[in-house]
Amino acid sequence: ETGVTQSPTHLIKTRGQQVTLRCSSQSGHNTVSWYQQALGQGPQFIFQYYREEENGRGNFPPRFSGLQFPNYSSELNVNALELDDSALYLCASSRDGNYGYTFGSGTRLTVV
Amino acid sequence: KNEVEQSPQNLTAQEGEFITINCSYSVGISALHWLQQHPGGGIVSLFMLSSGKKKHGRLIATINIQEKHSSLHITASHPRDSAVYICAVRGSNYQLIWGAGTKLIIKP
Repeated sequence: ETGVTQSPTHLIKTRGQQVTLRCSSQSGHNTVSWYQQALGQGPQFIFQYYREEENGRGNFPPRFSGLQFPNYSSELNVNALELDDSALYLCASSRDGNYGYTFGSGTRLTVV
Repeated sequence: KNEVEQSPQNLTAQEGEFITINCSYSVGISALHWLQQHPGGGIVSLFMLSSGKKKHGRLIATINIQEKHSSLHITASHPRDSAVYICAVRGSNYQLIWGAGTKLIIKP
């Protein structure tokens, strides 16, 4: 079975720009959740998608948005980038939000 | 007070030592996860527990639901076990609530 793949692995953007991060879920998984991990901090929950619908959201502003596609892959979009958005963005997939999670290696976003 | 507390924050030990990392939580949960994060960011799921005890190789995880406490043990520790170990609980809204992590260094 394939794991979770995130792209790109590294990205540098300018403040005010928009970014799209991508995540392919593990085969057989229908749930994708996204996390932001600032340097030296634990991951913070952004949101979760289950069968193409957002079914959970953390304390992030609306400029953080997402999508899940029929093949259960997912995108995280961040508009109007701020310097504090610099972080490692992790994606995890699971089956029905239960059972184990499989994590991607993350996308390292740097906003300058 | 954080909903998930881990201890210790940092742990340095000699190769071969028995390692214990503790996790206490204050919310109702459906499952508790132990995860391993290596430098560079990749996270590996080690265990998911809802009761009792699980063992995988040299790793053992236990959970006491009544006491809202879990432990991760590493037997015969090895330098390749050096990583950050994170306890995360699955609360409401399907999200994982993460502990701050325990940075483990095993010296040869």
